[in-house]
Amino acid sequence: KAGVTQTPRYLIKTRGQQVTLSCSPISGHRSVSWYQQTPGQGLQFLFEYFSETQRNKGNFPGRFSGRQFSNSRSEMNVSTLELGDSALYLCASSLAGAYSETQYFGPGTRLLVL
Amino acid sequence: GQQLNQSPQSMFIQEGEDVSMNCTSSSIFNTWLWYKQDPGEGPVLLIALYKAGELTSNGRLTAQFGTTRKDSFLNISASIPSDVGIYFCAVRLSGTYKYIFGTGTRLKVLA
Repeated sequence: KAGVTQTPRYLIKTRGQQVTLSCSPISGHRSVSWYQQTPGQGLQFLFEYFSETQRNKGNFPGRFSGRQFSNSRSEMNVSTLELGDSALYLCASSLAGAYSETQYFGPGTRLLVL
Repeated sequence: GQQLNQSPQSMFIQEGEDVSMNCTSSSIFNTWLWYKQDPGEGPVLLIALYKAGELTSNGRLTAQFGTTRKDSFLNISASIPSDVGIYFCAVRLSGTYKYIFGTGTRLKVLA
């Protein structure tokens, strides 16, 4: 069974642009979570989706948004990029999003904002 | 906001040595998790703890959920070179699908 895939793996953007990242969960998984990882702040929760609905959101500005499609694939969008948005963006999927389930992480998309 | 403090931040050890790291919080949590992240990869779950006082093993790894529900530790016995990586603790906020991750412990093993 294929793991969580994220595209693209690397991305370079300039300040003010917007970016869309994609995450394909493990087949059959319906919950997708997004995290931002930076050296200074570590791993921080962005949001979680289940059956196309956002169930939880982290403490990030409204420039960060996401959505989930009926096939459970998810996209994350960051508008008006800032230098501080440079980070590794990770998505994780789980079967049904139950509290005790294991989250499986993808390899991440490394975003560099110049 | 809620924070998980991990110690040590980094450590160099000799192959074959045992390793111990811990994670503390000022708040109570009912689910504690330990992950390992290799370079260029996402974190991989090592051990999940759901009950205060619980001691759980996974091969050479042993983790305990502190009785106060404010801490957890991870032990690695007889370390090997592939144990190199960053180890994170994480907790789930009760009633949510939101996880908080610790600051990480970077482990380097000297052969």
